[in-house]
Amino acid sequence: GESVGLHLPTLSVQEGDNSIINCAYSNSASDYFIWYKQESGKGPQFIIDIRSNMDKRQGQRVTVLLNKTVKHLSLQIAATQPGDSAVYFCAENTAGYKYIFGTGTRLKVLA
Amino acid sequence: GAGVSQSPSNKVTEKGKDVELRCDPISGHTALYWYRQSLGQGLEFLIYFQGNSAPDKSGLPSDRFSAERTGGSVSTLTIQRTQQEDSAVYLCASSAGGAAEAFFGQGTRLTVV
Repeated sequence: GESVGLHLPTLSVQEGDNSIINCAYSNSASDYFIWYKQESGKGPQFIIDIRSNMDKRQGQRVTVLLNKTVKHLSLQIAATQPGDSAVYFCAENTAGYKYIFGTGTRLKVLA
Repeated sequence: GAGVSQSPSNKVTEKGKDVELRCDPISGHTALYWYRQSLGQGLEFLIYFQGNSAPDKSGLPSDRFSAERTGGSVSTLTIQRTQQEDSAVYLCASSAGGAAEAFFGQGTRLTVV
């Protein structure tokens, strides 16, 4: 498959601190990116997206940064809360074709 | 419907049996995806349908796996002669096509005993 079957890396963050989750994408021609959040026992849910003509996009408590030079995407979560504990996936889309997902990062928020 | 619906939510089957997993995408969505997620792991692409185009089956792990999408709507993923390594959560997603947000169902948890 196109997503590696590795165990997920984990990021532990103190409640109230900011979190930064990173993703390296594979295709330099990808032009649309989404960050998804997956809570235990649920399907992934959309958090924020960005198109390749932008390098930054902000939502509520979340910011996505795109660096096309090094094919890197990051998700910043401000003032991390216990409800942010989940697995986060980045997804890339090229010219409206299928989505390819990154490996995912497990975020653990420490009280 | 309001969202992507998958059934059953849980399925336990004996090794060697065939199973069918169903996905009802959001009405009007032309793109439909199947992914597999093993416990604690990432999303493994299986198959992609887009409109009337031939499906992208490049992610299907073996010829025991097949999927169809009837009338451009409901999709069925079939696993023949199930093996224990097929145990996983099978996720379906749909989108309006192109670079549009993909919406996921809750998944079907398949356990092969």
